[in-house]
Amino acid sequence: EIVLTQSPATLSLSPGERATLSCRASQSVSSYLAWYQQKPGQAPRLLIYDASNRATGIPARFSGSGSGTDFTLTISSLEPEDFAVYYCQQRSNWLFTFGPGTKVDIK
Amino acid sequence: QVQLQESGPGLVKPSETLSLTCAVSGYSISSGYYWGWIRQPPGKGLEWIGSIYHSGSTYYNPSLKSRVTISVDTSKNQFSLKLSSVTAADTAVYYCARHVRVVPAVGSWFDPWGQGTLVTVSS
Repeated sequence: EIVLTQSPATLSLSPGERATLSCRASQSVSSYLAWYQQKPGQAPRLLIYDASNRATGIPARFSGSGSGTDFTLTISSLEPEDFAVYYCQQRSNWLFTFGPGTKVDIK
Repeated sequence: QVQLQESGPGLVKPSETLSLTCAVSGYSISSGYYWGWIRQPPGKGLEWIGSIYHSGSTYYNPSLKSRVTISVDTSKNQFSLKLSSVTAADTAVYYCARHVRVVPAVGSWFDPWGQGTLVTVSS
């Protein structure tokens, strides 16, 4: 089973700052990686699919990069509504798993 | 747009079977896509449970496979989850979601999601 590791566990930043979140896979997942945002009491929302493609309606300040085992989600300039937990997700054959999440909170 | 809504009992006794339904609106399940269940224990991360196609083809998480049954009712445009022999460890928010691109050797993701329903396992 491929294990996803996310770092840091918590990222404390101020509005307007750049956020860089990491997701690392224990084996290559090619570009088969998605990113989600989850706010308290809400369902996750798809941000990025296939490592670098923004989902419909997602602002351009969100970008994804990487392939193989190392992936990055970048938020170029944090807006107040971006403070949330972010999860990465991969597929390996017929098993779909999520990383443990990175919480982006207000410094 | 596509919307999903989970429903079912919020409290289940240990050793009994958890049953949830996901009603889909704005899209006909028979038109395609897989449809999945994901759960999230309070304060923890996300775990994929399984997914189903309108034909009834299913994929399950091996860690839960022995206890999980997912079924589809195209006439009602909904799909359902049954999880047997539940324990306190099955207490979680259960989400349903459209599962996109469940085919070999390509990326696959969940979008959109239902709002989720909390199921507590307790006597």
